[in-house]
Amino acid sequence: NAGVTQTPKFQVLKTGQSMTLQCAQDMNHEYMSWYRQDPGMGLRLIHYSVGAGITDQGEVPNGYNVSRSTTEDFPLRLLSAAPSQTSVYFCASSYGDRGNTEAFFGQGTRLTVV
Amino acid sequence: AQSVAQPEDQVNVAEGNPLTVKCTYSVSGNPYLFWYVQYPNRGLQFLLKYITGDNLVKGSYGFEAEFNKSQTSFHLKKPSALVSDSALYFCASTFFNTGRRALTFGSGTRLQVQP
Repeated sequence: NAGVTQTPKFQVLKTGQSMTLQCAQDMNHEYMSWYRQDPGMGLRLIHYSVGAGITDQGEVPNGYNVSRSTTEDFPLRLLSAAPSQTSVYFCASSYGDRGNTEAFFGQGTRLTVV
Repeated sequence: AQSVAQPEDQVNVAEGNPLTVKCTYSVSGNPYLFWYVQYPNRGLQFLLKYITGDNLVKGSYGFEAEFNKSQTSFHLKKPSALVSDSALYFCASTFFNTGRRALTFGSGTRLQVQP
């Protein structure tokens, strides 16, 4: 049971480039989300999904797109990378959508935009 | 607005001593409260949660937390700290009755346990 798998682990982008951060879970969880972690700010929600075909914005969605075509996968797309998007990105999944179950997190992707 | 606060950036404790990591929340209604731990270069791991019922919640690795509605707090505790407990700890909440299913995180507290 792999849990939540994120790829890549590290990435360096130039300003203006685009890329996709991959996230896959094998626990058949309905709820998936993307967070970014910045020093002293905890984790902030970028986008989330309550099931295949359903996505919504979180606190800091600008510059990011998501889609959810299957239960397992929830990729995060950076449209035109900016230095302000330098951060550590975490994908998470949880069972159900009532917010009362624990989330499982991937190992993170450390992104640097130069 | 719904929010979670961790007032201490860092907590230092000697090995064998009890530890407390503080968390307060601000919400109307009943929150679901969680503690997560993050070791260096790793994702977050679930420790424990409060949903309803007994105010004292026991979790992984000997940690426990007490939900205090009057003080709107959910402090993490352990009777005897280990050096291996040194990590970054996050308090988080969801507020289902306001439609907020996603986790709202505090800013994190770094726990340093000295040998």
